[in-house]
Amino acid sequence: QKEVEQNSGPLSVPEGAIASLNCTYSDRGSQSFFWYRQYSGKSPELIMSIYSNGDKEDGRFTAQLNKASQYVSLLIRDSQPSDSATYLCAALSDLYSTLTFGKGTMLLVSP
Amino acid sequence: NAGVTQTPKFQVLKTGQSMTLQCAQDMNHNSMYWYRQDPGMGLRLIYYSASEGTTDKGEVPNGYNVSRLNKREFSLRLESAAPSQTSVYFCASSEAWETQYFGPGTRLLVL
Repeated sequence: QKEVEQNSGPLSVPEGAIASLNCTYSDRGSQSFFWYRQYSGKSPELIMSIYSNGDKEDGRFTAQLNKASQYVSLLIRDSQPSDSATYLCAALSDLYSTLTFGKGTMLLVSP
Repeated sequence: NAGVTQTPKFQVLKTGQSMTLQCAQDMNHNSMYWYRQDPGMGLRLIYYSASEGTTDKGEVPNGYNVSRLNKREFSLRLESAAPSQTSVYFCASSEAWETQYFGPGTRLLVL
């Protein structure tokens, strides 16, 4: 069974710090990975997608992928209170074309 | 563009009642999905439709049926609601293996 594991948190960081969110996945066949942000009572929205080993940067966000270790991470630089949300990691298996989501990590950024 | 829309936003049912959750997307996506989200369980796939005219079971299909009415619309039906189906339901759409876009969700309470 395909699984995506995340620490549920909460991860607490002060404003301006770097927040590091981690995710591991069980299916070696997974090729594409996604980070979604979900505010309380709202729907998930895409933050980053990553398909190749290495780093991918978009503004304050950096996604990192290591397929050998089956590990995905999301770094948020200069964290803001508005970044406080639950971050969902998801892996896409080409075979089934469906996303497997982790349970999410709650991030709390204190002013 | 409205993106993905869902109706109703909130519904209260009694055990044994039936209802249909509606979802529509205006992004011309081929694939559509129904998820449920429960505290501590993350997002779980109920059913999906890879293209118009096809539907497939996800992780938790029992107690649900779906209809892909046309390319835009994908409905989820509860024939005989049970308290265990109390949840938040999200519809999503995507183009093949690309990013999934989520609707605002339907909050369902079954008494």
